[in-house]
Amino acid sequence: QSVLTQPPSVSGAPGQRVTISCTGSSSNIGAGYDVHWYQQLPGTAPKLLIYGNSNRPSGVPDRFSGSKSGTSASLAITGLQAEDEADYYCQSYDSSLSGSLYVFGTGTKVTVL
Amino acid sequence: QVQLVQSGAEVKKPGASVKVSCKASGYTFTGYYMHWVRQAPGQGLEWMGWINPNSGGTNYAQKFQGRVTMTRDTSISTAYMELSRLRSDDTAVYYCARDVGAVAGSWFDPWGQGTLVTVSS
Repeated sequence: QSVLTQPPSVSGAPGQRVTISCTGSSSNIGAGYDVHWYQQLPGTAPKLLIYGNSNRPSGVPDRFSGSKSGTSASLAITGLQAEDEADYYCQSYDSSLSGSLYVFGTGTKVTVL
Repeated sequence: QVQLVQSGAEVKKPGASVKVSCKASGYTFTGYYMHWVRQAPGQGLEWMGWINPNSGGTNYAQKFQGRVTMTRDTSISTAYMELSRLRSDDTAVYYCARDVGAVAGSWFDPWGQGTLVTVSS
């Protein structure tokens, strides 16, 4: 039911760089709506990680960065650390009126090797 | 600090209703929309709808229309989500989350701690 597609999993060794893609369509990301990213540690509620495509809230390390182009967006984690092991979700807005206005990605599990 | 505290876990039988509360503190409750999002076990996030705490206006995802009702009590800064005619596939953790921008496509921050609703006979 998710209209934003993410890879199910990505992994990397400590210190490496990983990226997570979020692919949408012309009714959401491609329509110009912003993309936001959330980190969900095991057993906890989602936490805002990136807002407005590339902005970090106060307290979020600059190892996390976001970008958007066309109908897709990406989250990059540089200098991967053990505490980054979590699920990550993108979120945007959909104007197709055929379902949900606010849409989430399918989610990506990041594993630190 | 801005905080959302939700009510405790619930166990319901199929066909019953559940009402989850979300108490806000640390900000002006009527100044920000409140969203409800659910997450089935091992699954992703699913948006259910929003309520404007100032006016009481609501907007529900098509999937839940007719079964969900979102209300608020401004005197105690609390939002509520009631889901009726529960089925086993409604078993999930339900979150409330504050809308930061109050414009289409805004982001959610913070989130409540979540309320597990289990539907089982």
